[in-house]
Amino acid sequence: DGGITQSPKYLFRKEGQNVTLSCEQNLNHDAMYWYRQDPGQGLRLIYYSQIVNDFQKGDIAEGYSVSREKKESFPLTVTSAQKNPTAFYLCASSIWGTGNYEQYFGPGTRLTVT
Amino acid sequence: DQQVKQNSPSLSVQEGRISILNCDYTNSMFDYFLWYKKYPAEGPTFLISISSIKDKNEDGRFTVFLNKSAKHLSLHIVPSQPGDSAVYFCAASARGGSQGNLIFGKGTKLSVKP
Repeated sequence: DGGITQSPKYLFRKEGQNVTLSCEQNLNHDAMYWYRQDPGQGLRLIYYSQIVNDFQKGDIAEGYSVSREKKESFPLTVTSAQKNPTAFYLCASSIWGTGNYEQYFGPGTRLTVT
Repeated sequence: DQQVKQNSPSLSVQEGRISILNCDYTNSMFDYFLWYKKYPAEGPTFLISISSIKDKNEDGRFTVFLNKSAKHLSLHIVPSQPGDSAVYFCAASARGGSQGNLIFGKGTKLSVKP
């Protein structure tokens, strides 16, 4: 089955610790994205990557870091510098090109920092 | 400044009737629009999309209408079913500098009552 996997589904961390969220896709998509969702809010873009070894900041990149060493993988690190890290994190992927392409989402990781 | 607005946080409809979800946007550069459906604690699922060169796109029970002059789009679900109960997000994209970058509304929670 082709799709996007995120692990773990629930993650708990103490304040001041960095934490890395996993995202893997086997859709052979070039582009991958990280979004954050807060209660009553839409999805906000954190980082995105069009190709391996390249990525761009989204609207709310402060306190986050990413890497794209493989086409299939786009891990997100929530650093201790992120002031409000507790949220639902969603990874997505899509074809990247000149046409119109929808993004496909993973099941999400709920991060709770106390 | 919110570029994509879903002004109704919630909508309740009787089973079998039509559900109409609305979305307004402010950026005239948007040329591709999508609707996603999301259940709690899951990732959004792509429903239907429309390019700005069209004013209507239909897929089974789902139809999206686009009124470019009013910067308004709507999603019609006919007939509504209890399984349609979810949060629906409208998203928009402006191909160009941030190709593939989607801007999401805050969502409308649809409840379909049996």
